Amino acid sequence: GNSVTQMEGPVTLSEEAFLTINCTYTATGYPSLFWYVQYPGEGLQLLLKATKADDKGSNKGFEATYRKETTSFHLEKGSVQVSDSAVYFCALSDSTGGTSYGKLTFGQGTILTVHP
Amino acid sequence: EADIYQTPRYLVIGTGKKITLECSQTMGHDKMYWYQQDPGMELHLIHYSYGVNSTEKGDLSSESTVSRIRTEHFPLTLESARPSHTSQYLCASKRALNTEAFFGQGTRLTVV
Repeated sequence: GNSVTQMEGPVTLSEEAFLTINCTYTATGYPSLFWYVQYPGEGLQLLLKATKADDKGSNKGFEATYRKETTSFHLEKGSVQVSDSAVYFCALSDSTGGTSYGKLTFGQGTILTVHP
Repeated sequence: EADIYQTPRYLVIGTGKKITLECSQTMGHDKMYWYQQDPGMELHLIHYSYGVNSTEKGDLSSESTVSRIRTEHFPLTLESARPSHTSQYLCASKRALNTEAFFGQGTRLTVV
């Protein structure tokens, strides 16, 4: 079955530091890949996405590239801010139908805390 | 801005009570999902629906039930709440198989 593995957290950084959160996946077919962010007490918000190999998703200074050869989708940001403190989830959606029917498979989440 | 709404946002209820968590979306999406999020943050799919009158159990066994009588509405019901049901419940919808899902703000349920 499909699975997503994220680097273990929590991650604590100073403001303006470089961020990387690793994500690798296993999937049948050709999944779409996503990063979601969850702020305290809220639901999940889509941060960025990529639908095919070598696509780069980007939003609000965050980037991730769909690497089929390494089955990875690492999240990066060059300079984090205090307001980026949240929980980040890597996810995939299988497009092949069958028993998955487009449901999202999530990683375990990574807590990011950014200090001033 | 996602047009998917969950009510209530917070609910504290006694053991044995029947509860319904509401989820509505105005995007016309056929596919809808319920996830349970445990305190360790992991998300577990408990129910999904491909369209009206279609519902399926998810990956995590749940004592809850769902219905899908209208495209926009996907309520989740617990006939007899127990403390083990204490969790955050997230509803989501999506347009197609490989597109992103839009999430509601969640319902945080506490059963005492």
